Amino acid sequence: DIQMTQSPSSLSASVGDRVTITCRASQSISSYLNWYQQKPGKAPKLLIYAASSLQSGVPSRFSGSGSGTDFTLTISSLQPEDFATYYCQQSYSTLRGYTFGQGTKLEIK
Amino acid sequence: QVQLQESGPGLVKPSGTLSLTCAVSGGSISSSNWWSWIRQPPGKGLEWIGEIYHSGSTNYNPSLKSRVTISVDKSKNQFSLKLSSVTAADTAVYYCARIGDYNILTGYKIHYYYYMDVWGKGTTVTVSS
Repeated sequence: DIQMTQSPSSLSASVGDRVTITCRASQSISSYLNWYQQKPGKAPKLLIYAASSLQSGVPSRFSGSGSGTDFTLTISSLQPEDFATYYCQQSYSTLRGYTFGQGTKLEIK
Repeated sequence: QVQLQESGPGLVKPSGTLSLTCAVSGGSISSSNWWSWIRQPPGKGLEWIGEIYHSGSTNYNPSLKSRVTISVDKSKNQFSLKLSSVTAADTAVYYCARIGDYNILTGYKIHYYYYMDVWGKGTTVTVSS
């Protein structure tokens, strides 16, 4: 099975900061990588699919990059509404599951 | 736009069967999408449970496969989850989601990228006697 590991597990930052979250796959997954944002008590929301494609309606301050085993989600200038937990997810091998990373909690400094 | 709504008992006894339904509105379950269940134990991360196509084809998480059944009811525009032999470890918020796709042609090969683009609000299921 493909394992997804995010780093860091938690992160403190300030409004206006540039933030990067990393996701590493246990084997190459090409660009089959998605990013989600989840706020407390809410369902996850799709931000990025296919590693770097921005979902419709998502602000352009969010961007994704990477391929193979190493991926990043970048928020160029943090806004108050961006404080949430972020998950990566692989869709390389759907027959064996859409594995999620363990999450990165982004908190206000 | 497509909306999803989970429903079902909020409390299930240990060793029993958890049964949930996801109603699809604003679109047809017979569209060219897969439909999925995901869960999230309290304070923990997301776990994919399985998916179904309107034809009835399914894929399940290998770690849950022996206990999971996902089915579709096209007449009611909904799909369902059954999880048997539940324990306290199955206590979680259960979400249903639509799986969207994006495809690109590279040379002679089409690459399909799948992602969960529409989610229900989730329903909490507690396993307790």
